[in-house]
Amino acid sequence: QKEVEQDPGPLSVPEGAIVSLNCTYSNSAFQYFMWYRQYSRKGPELLMYTYSSGNKEDGRFTAQVDKSSKYISLFIRDSQPSDSATYLCATAIYNQGGKLIFGQGTELSVKP
Amino acid sequence: GAVVSQHPSWVICKSGTSVKIECRSLDFQATTMFWYRQFPKQSLMLMATSNEGSKATYEQGVEKDKFLINHASLTLSTLTVTSAHPEDSSFYICSARHRDREVVSPLHFGNGTRLTVT
Repeated sequence: QKEVEQDPGPLSVPEGAIVSLNCTYSNSAFQYFMWYRQYSRKGPELLMYTYSSGNKEDGRFTAQVDKSSKYISLFIRDSQPSDSATYLCATAIYNQGGKLIFGQGTELSVKP
Repeated sequence: GAVVSQHPSWVICKSGTSVKIECRSLDFQATTMFWYRQFPKQSLMLMATSNEGSKATYEQGVEKDKFLINHASLTLSTLTVTSAHPEDSSFYICSARHRDREVVSPLHFGNGTRLTVT
């Protein structure tokens, strides 16, 4: 079993839709959770970072963490064609030197 | 802020030759840099952790004699793929952590280097 599971998609939605991206993780010791966006042939770009259960909002993006069920989500409101990219969830444990464990990434396509 | 520059962005080399990839933190100092490898439609696989002034720590299964990492300064780490073979063709991405950030904090990534070995 992978430490972080993420549906690779692809996921295709119409412009303006609400997008829900999800990851599950197996190790309850994971303490920190991040979402990265990666455009084709580019490095990942940090979108959201949180270390507690609950919601964190930043503009059109909301990150949600449920530590009891080991489930993390990213919601994108009013999706735009420019949101078309691969979204990677990542987790980390403090005592592992800050190494990030990534999910496989979900490929999102927002159609105009 | 927190820009990481990776060079070259794309390189083609012949089998048996060596290739060096540079990773620079442009506007911050990084005590720790990480090197990842990514295959098409796959996640990022951590290859090694590089700490300034000390030897890199390699992940299980990564050949340290093949993937030489040097982190000589707080703003530069290099990855050298020695005696490259076609199976080494991949997308290599570096990331850096700001020296003043706590151990677990978001990483800043370079834009990757696409290596093709013919």
